[in-house]
Amino acid sequence: DVKVTQSSRYLVKRTGEKVFLECVQDMDHENMFWYRQDPGLGLRLIYFSYDVKMKEKGDIPEGYSVSREKKERFSLILESASTNQTSMYLCASSFGGPRTDTQYFGPGTRLTVL
Amino acid sequence: DAKTTQPNSMESNEEEPVHLPCNHSTISGTDYIHWYRQLPSQGPEYVIHGLTSNVNNRMASLAIAEDRKSSTLILHRATLRDAAVYYCILRDVGGNAGNMLTFGGGTRLMVKP
Repeated sequence: DVKVTQSSRYLVKRTGEKVFLECVQDMDHENMFWYRQDPGLGLRLIYFSYDVKMKEKGDIPEGYSVSREKKERFSLILESASTNQTSMYLCASSFGGPRTDTQYFGPGTRLTVL
Repeated sequence: DAKTTQPNSMESNEEEPVHLPCNHSTISGTDYIHWYRQLPSQGPEYVIHGLTSNVNNRMASLAIAEDRKSSTLILHRATLRDAAVYYCILRDVGGNAGNMLTFGGGTRLMVKP
């Protein structure tokens, strides 16, 4: 079974702090994604990566950056956390290029910024 | 990606079949129909997908209308563990770079013992 793990299930940070969210997948997938999920807004793509050291902006990249130094690991960075970044953050991975590929999700990190 | 419409919620009794509908009247010829579900406090989970023919796997069946303007996810015997939000999504196989998923509101399935 594909496994996507995220470093924390719950995280509480203060405004202005730098926050790192880590995601690791064990299936040698090329593609990795970071989404945030908010009530009434569904899933929104922040960034994705289709190869090591490659990244592409999604729909809402402002206030975030990412890092992919190794194929299995994709990190989301909040340079200076703000209260409007309180959300559920979901990491996913998939194999291959076509848009019909299945995405495998981690359990999510619920981030609260005070 | 084309838009889908699903009921906000549905109820089912345990061990009975459940039919979850999805309308996608603006579907294009290259759109695949995908279903994901999200159990409480978990990330979304792939369920099934299809293009034109009906599909079966160990989790569910997918029935696709002949004109492809609607589809139905079928859980043959609902269990309490099937209580989740079910999302119907269209994905264009010919789309440009960016394999993102766009989730709408989904259908919240409640299963009664």
